[in-house]
Amino acid sequence: DAKTTQPNSMESNEEEPVHLPCNHSTISGTDYIHWYRQLPSQGPEYVIHGLTSNVNNRMASLAIAEDRKSSTLILHRATLRDAAVYYCPPARAPPSFGNEKLTFGTGTRLTIIP
Amino acid sequence: KAGVTQTPRYLIKTRGQQVTLSCSPISGHRSVSWYQQTPGQGLQFLFEYFSETQRNKGNFPGRFSGRQFSNSRSEMNVSTLELGDSALYLCASSPSGTTHLYTFGSGTRLTVV
Repeated sequence: DAKTTQPNSMESNEEEPVHLPCNHSTISGTDYIHWYRQLPSQGPEYVIHGLTSNVNNRMASLAIAEDRKSSTLILHRATLRDAAVYYCPPARAPPSFGNEKLTFGTGTRLTIIP
Repeated sequence: KAGVTQTPRYLIKTRGQQVTLSCSPISGHRSVSWYQQTPGQGLQFLFEYFSETQRNKGNFPGRFSGRQFSNSRSEMNVSTLELGDSALYLCASSPSGTTHLYTFGSGTRLTVV
């Protein structure tokens, strides 16, 4: 399984952009890069995913390095509600029936300072 | 629409006992995956069920088992509980197992004493 490396913790001021890095140097060419976050006392929540190109959605942007060995999740304007543990688990791109699972690392605990 | 429901939310069991946890997926979702979360090991994949069949299994001992019913509801069972089985057990449902379409439940917190 591919392994990921993330900083243990990061802090950011409210209403400022946040860049969360992830190193996934052993990622397979068929693995999607996902980002999930886990708010206190909840299960993980999907944020964004991509394969090779940068991606945007209403929650965040995902910047993927050209060699795909790293990615950065960008929260454009952090709010207190964004305080969570952020994970970047790779997973096989569908269809790969029977082999689609998320391999979570230790994640980054993001603290937002009011 | 209703989310993923896990019951019970909290459970305390004694070493050597067995436990059954339940997960009701989002309506229409046919895949249910189970994960164990502990402070030491983080989130680890247990198994995935799709249309009542186990499609994928993580590296856990045979004491951990599961099943899925025809309505896609899933249960996982842990027999002969050990102290190390204390964890948050999370299930995630998705339409067909696609990982970027996972919706997780809030989990069952199992404490083994």
